[in-house]
Amino acid sequence: DVKVTQSSRYLVKRTGEKVFLECVQDMDHENMFWYRQDPGLGLRLIYFSYDVKMKEKGDIPEGYSVSREKKERFSLILESASTNQTSMYLCASSPTVGIYGYTFGSGTRLTVV
Amino acid sequence: KNEVEQSPQNLTAQEGEFITINCSYSVGISALHWLQQHPGGGIVSLFMLSSGKKKHGRLIATINIQEKHSSLHITASHPRDSAVYICAVRWYNTDKLIFGTGTRLQVFP
Repeated sequence: DVKVTQSSRYLVKRTGEKVFLECVQDMDHENMFWYRQDPGLGLRLIYFSYDVKMKEKGDIPEGYSVSREKKERFSLILESASTNQTSMYLCASSPTVGIYGYTFGSGTRLTVV
Repeated sequence: KNEVEQSPQNLTAQEGEFITINCSYSVGISALHWLQQHPGGGIVSLFMLSSGKKKHGRLIATINIQEKHSSLHITASHPRDSAVYICAVRWYNTDKLIFGTGTRLQVFP
């Protein structure tokens, strides 16, 4: 069964901490994505990567960075967590553009206090 | 105006009822996805459509490219269908999805 695995379901961090959210996929997909989901706003794209060491900003990249050193792993980094980054974070992966669907992880609910 | 609009935002039904959730979009797309999100957060991809109709069990998804509209139908609804259903479109020649804000469905026994 193909999978996108996010390392934590729930995280509580303090304001100012550096936070790492990890995502691993076992499908050899080229594309990987990080979204955040907030009530009334739906899912919004933070960053995506279409290859190892390649990344592109999504719609709301401010306050975040990403790392993709290996094809199967895509990390989201909050350099200095703030309370407005309290949210549900979802990772997804897909093969190359065109005909294939997406696979989502089960999400990480991050609370910044 | 959002590029992907879903209706209704909230929907309640009695077990056994036929359910329809609608999605309209305003951009050119290469595919449309229907996703299901249960409480707790995980998202499951139900369908990916670029034309016509797809069926899986009690779920049916249709798309009309000319009218920029898609519908998700659930026949003989069941309480376990209670979830948020999200429509998302993929812009032409991009890897990005644009999401609707979701339809919250509650099916009561």
